[in-house]
Amino acid sequence: GAVVSQHPSWVICKSGTSVKIECRSLDFQATTMFWYRQFPKQSLMLMATSNEGSKATYEQGVEKDKFLINHASLTLSTLTVTSAHPEDSSFYICSASPRQDNTEAFFGQGTRLTVV
Amino acid sequence: GIQVEQSPPDLILQEGANSTLRCNFSDSVNNLQWFHQNPWGQLINLFYIPSGTKQNGRLSATTVATERYSLLYISSSQTTDSGVYFCAVDRGSTLGRLYFGRGTQLTVWP
Repeated sequence: GAVVSQHPSWVICKSGTSVKIECRSLDFQATTMFWYRQFPKQSLMLMATSNEGSKATYEQGVEKDKFLINHASLTLSTLTVTSAHPEDSSFYICSASPRQDNTEAFFGQGTRLTVV
Repeated sequence: GIQVEQSPPDLILQEGANSTLRCNFSDSVNNLQWFHQNPWGQLINLFYIPSGTKQNGRLSATTVATERYSLLYISSSQTTDSGVYFCAVDRGSTLGRLYFGRGTQLTVWP
C-alpha cells in the first residue's frame, strides 16, 4: 500500500502559540489531501480538503483562519493551528489516495495536540 | 450528508471467538473501507471493498452495495485484534473524501 507520513506524532504547546503539522505522501503524488479531527472515543470528522496549488475547502463550522492549510507541492500538505487554545486539543490525522481509478485512502500516523 | 451506522458499538470477546461487525449506509457509495485503529491512533487499512467479498487471513469482509451494508468477520480472535474498527464510505463527489461511522470498540480477553 501507499505510505503517508505525518509529523509530529504528538505536540504540547502553550495557549496562544501556533503549531504546524506536516502530512507527506512518500511514494506517490497527491493533488488532494484530507485533514480529519478526532475527539476522544469519537469518530473522525473531516475538517478540510487540501488542494495542491489552490485554496483549501473547509467543512461547515471549521474556522479557516484558525486552521490554516497549505498544499504547496504534490507530496506535502501542512495544517497550522493558530493561536491555539485548550479546546483545540485533539487528534489530527491526514489522508490521501494514490490513484484516480481506485480511491482507497491511506492515513498518516496522526498528531496528538495538547494545548496547555 | 450520508449516514454511516456501525453495530455493535462495543464487543467483548474471549480469545478464539468469532465475531461479525456490521456497517449500514444510507446512500449509494463509490467506495467502502474498513480500518482498525490501534491504541496509538493509527488507522490500519483492512479492506477496500466497494462490493463483493475479500479475505485476508483471519479477517474477511463482504459488501452488498445494492442493500447498502457491509460486514467484517473476525475469526479466532486474538488479543491483538483489540481496538476500534471503523467503516468509512466515499460517495464519489470528492474522490478520497470519507464519511466515517462511529466505530465498534472490540476488546479481546485472553
